[in-house]
Amino acid sequence: DVVMTQSPLSLPVTLGQPASISCRSSQSLVYRDGSTYLNWFQQRPGQSPRRLIYKVSNRDSGVPDRFSGSGSGTDFTLKISRVEAEDVGVYYCMQGSHWPPYTFGQGTKLEIK
Amino acid sequence: EAQLVESGGGLVQPGGSLRLSCAASGFTFRSYEMNWVRQAPGKGLEWVSYSSSSGTTTYYADSVKGRFTISRDNAKNSLFLQMNSLRVEDTALYYCASLDGGVPFDIWGQGTMVTVSS
Repeated sequence: DVVMTQSPLSLPVTLGQPASISCRSSQSLVYRDGSTYLNWFQQRPGQSPRRLIYKVSNRDSGVPDRFSGSGSGTDFTLKISRVEAEDVGVYYCMQGSHWPPYTFGQGTKLEIK
Repeated sequence: EAQLVESGGGLVQPGGSLRLSCAASGFTFRSYEMNWVRQAPGKGLEWVSYSSSSGTTTYYADSVKGRFTISRDNAKNSLFLQMNSLRVEDTALYYCASLDGGVPFDIWGQGTMVTVSS
């Protein structure tokens, strides 16, 4: 199974400042079709997860453009250009290139300093 | 508006059974692969099971293989998870979700809580 490792696991950020979360996979996530199926999810307190980014860098509908995804192979990053209060929650990366099983990272808890 | 609504959770003794349901509306359910994902209290997300859009192909996490069965009724826009031989470690909030990372559409339900305890 592909192991997804996120860092940091806790991320205190000042409002208006940028934030960055790293996600590393135990093997390359390039699929045989040439695409890389790496997703990012946000889970606000008390809510269901919501996908923010698919295929490394594609924002889902309604996701603010302050969220961006990048990376390739085994190293991926989610960046928030300017953190807002509504961004508090836990962020998960998930790979869909080598499944089953789909595998998630451990989660990164973003909080406001 | 696209929506998934799970039901069927509850308190069950170890070794017992439960059947979860997920009702879909607002999108063409029969066109989408679907999954169950669970989250133990205070923990992260764990993929549990997958169903192809037709229901003919299914996959399971090793932790539930042989005990859980996923199925769907496209005529009724519904996804199911039959859970047998439940264990304490199956205690979690169970979500149905699309999870197809290749398309610009993703949807999750609000979850249904399963508690396995004596």
